[in-house]
Amino acid sequence: QKEVEQNSGPLSVPEGAIASLNCTYSDRGSQSFFWYRQYSGKSPELIMFIYSNGDKEDGRFTAQLNKASQYVSLLIRDSQPSDSATYLCAVNMDTGSNYKLTFGKGTLLTVNP
Amino acid sequence: EPEVTQTPSHQVTQMGQEVILRCVPISNHLYFYWYRQILGQKVEFLVSFYNNEISEKSEIFDDQFSVERPDGSNFTLKIRSTKLEDSAMYFCASSPTGGNQPQHFGDGTRLSIL
Repeated sequence: QKEVEQNSGPLSVPEGAIASLNCTYSDRGSQSFFWYRQYSGKSPELIMFIYSNGDKEDGRFTAQLNKASQYVSLLIRDSQPSDSATYLCAVNMDTGSNYKLTFGKGTLLTVNP
Repeated sequence: EPEVTQTPSHQVTQMGQEVILRCVPISNHLYFYWYRQILGQKVEFLVSFYNNEISEKSEIFDDQFSVERPDGSNFTLKIRSTKLEDSAMYFCASSPTGGNQPQHFGDGTRLSIL
């Protein structure tokens, strides 16, 4: 069973701090990695995607990928209360067909004012 | 910014009835997907669709489910005889191409089976 694992949290950080969200995946052949934000009762919203080892930055968000360790993370700098949401890690695994995303259960982030 | 549109936002149906969930993908996207999320659980892949045929489907997507692109803009998910366990949020997504391209999700349809 090919899985994506995330700490369910909740992760609580003060406003202005760095929030660090982690994700591991089981399929070594996975090619692409996505972070979605999901507010309660809403749909997943794409935040970041990363394909290559290393860091990718977009504004306050940085995605980090280490394929050797099968690990992907999301850093949120200068966290704001509006960042409070569930963050979903999604992986496009090497299933022979690459049309589906496998999601983790998500990490609930709370940013305290 | 272009977005995926889903209707209705909430559908309430008696068990055993047929339901059709509708989606309008982003206009220049070629790959379409349905996912579902049971309350409190993770998002699960149901089916992908390209060039008017199913590319891949999950174990969940059994004979009760079907998808169709009836015209140039709509993409539908039909559940023939609904069960209580079909109650979930159903999300449509689309991407420009398949493979590594990011998938963009609609707002979802909340399906409640009574």
